[in-house]
Amino acid sequence: NAGVTQTPKFRILKIGQSMTLQCTQDMNHNYMYWYRQDPGMGLKLIYYSVGAGITDKGEVPNGYNVSRSTTEDFPLRLELAAPSQTSVYFCASSWGGIPRVEQYFGPGTRLTVT
Amino acid sequence: QKEVEQDPGPLSVPEGAIVSLNCTYSNSAFQYFMWYRQYSRKGPELLMYTYSSGNKEDGRFTAQVDKSSKYISLFIRDSQPSDSATYLCALANQAGTALIFGKGTTLSVSS
Repeated sequence: NAGVTQTPKFRILKIGQSMTLQCTQDMNHNYMYWYRQDPGMGLKLIYYSVGAGITDKGEVPNGYNVSRSTTEDFPLRLELAAPSQTSVYFCASSWGGIPRVEQYFGPGTRLTVT
Repeated sequence: QKEVEQDPGPLSVPEGAIVSLNCTYSNSAFQYFMWYRQYSRKGPELLMYTYSSGNKEDGRFTAQVDKSSKYISLFIRDSQPSDSATYLCALANQAGTALIFGKGTTLSVSS
């Protein structure tokens, strides 16, 4: 199993540009998550999904959108990138039972907005 | 008051030392208490979790939860250079869906 894969690994965006961060998992997990991690800070939840077609906002959703059309994929869309979105983005997944505390993380995407 | 507080360190110890990492929290609704380990430029990975109060041991690692004090700890015995990483505490309520992460403590173990 590859686990959770994320592309791209690195990206530099200009202010106002848009992009999609890709996330795929091959563990048949129902739950998927997007986090951002700023230097010296913990992970902040952006969006999560409990299954295909179902998404919900996390702590810091502004400036982002998500969709979940399949169990495997959970892309994160940035519209009109801003310098405040410079961060490392992690996608994670977990199984659907209780507890869901064991989340499997991807390697991250390092995004710089200038 | 933040939901979870964690001293970011850095913490530097010699090989073989006992390491103590701690978090405090404010919300008594938290029922799951996790420790994630994150190597440089990698995603976090779950080390261990505890439900409610008490201790849990896994090899050289011991997690403790004191709900009355809202205080959680991770002890690492006989620390190794391979333990050098950032350790993040994370907490969740009964449903265990949304994790609240601490800022992480960066640990360096020198040989």
